[in-house]
Amino acid sequence: GENVEQHPSTLSVQEGDSAVIKCTYSDSASNYFPWYKQELGKGPQLIIDIRSNVGEKKDQRIAVTLNKTAKHFSLHITETQPEDSAVYFCAARNLNSGGYQKVTFGTGTKLQVIP
Amino acid sequence: DTGVSQNPRHKITKRGQNVTFRCDPISEHNRLYWYRQTLGQGPEFLTYFQNEAQLEKSRLLSDRFSAERPKGSFSTLEIQRTEQGDSAMYLCASSQGNRAEGTDTQYFGPGTRLTVL
Repeated sequence: GENVEQHPSTLSVQEGDSAVIKCTYSDSASNYFPWYKQELGKGPQLIIDIRSNVGEKKDQRIAVTLNKTAKHFSLHITETQPEDSAVYFCAARNLNSGGYQKVTFGTGTKLQVIP
Repeated sequence: DTGVSQNPRHKITKRGQNVTFRCDPISEHNRLYWYRQTLGQGPEFLTYFQNEAQLEKSRLLSDRFSAERPKGSFSTLEIQRTEQGDSAMYLCASSQGNRAEGTDTQYFGPGTRLTVL
């Protein structure tokens, strides 16, 4: 089955700096990669996603890049703000497989933005 | 609020007791998922419903766990004879199953935190 590894497990940045979180996946059939933000006491919330036919996607201060050959993808947050502090999860999924297309999550990155 | 809701938000129980959690998905979503999340880990898939049919179950879902979605709307997850290892956050998610959208985005509820003493 799919295995998703995520690094780093914790990340501290100064407010205004950029943060980068990296993930690798094992199943070359995975073709959909969502990123979730989880704040304390809440469920994960989708912040951005990318399909395998796209190399990069950007939404305001958040961008995701995908390298299918190397099977890794990254989340980039620019001009970080204290409200960006949360745990971020990457995930991988094969949308083309029959039946249920399982979502496999990484182990999470705790981002702390220091004011 | 039209998001996914879960009740209760917190549950403390003694080992050996039975507990039941409820999930109300987004109303137009036909797919519903249960996940378990332990501290420092990502959500782990437990089971999946398409309408009222339970189509997939993880090997994590032991015989003490049962999930239902009787009318294809809300779902319940029951744990019988709870063990301390069952302590975790239980998350519910729903999606529209819209292949045309190409992503079938899952929307998560706030979770039910279970503590087994």
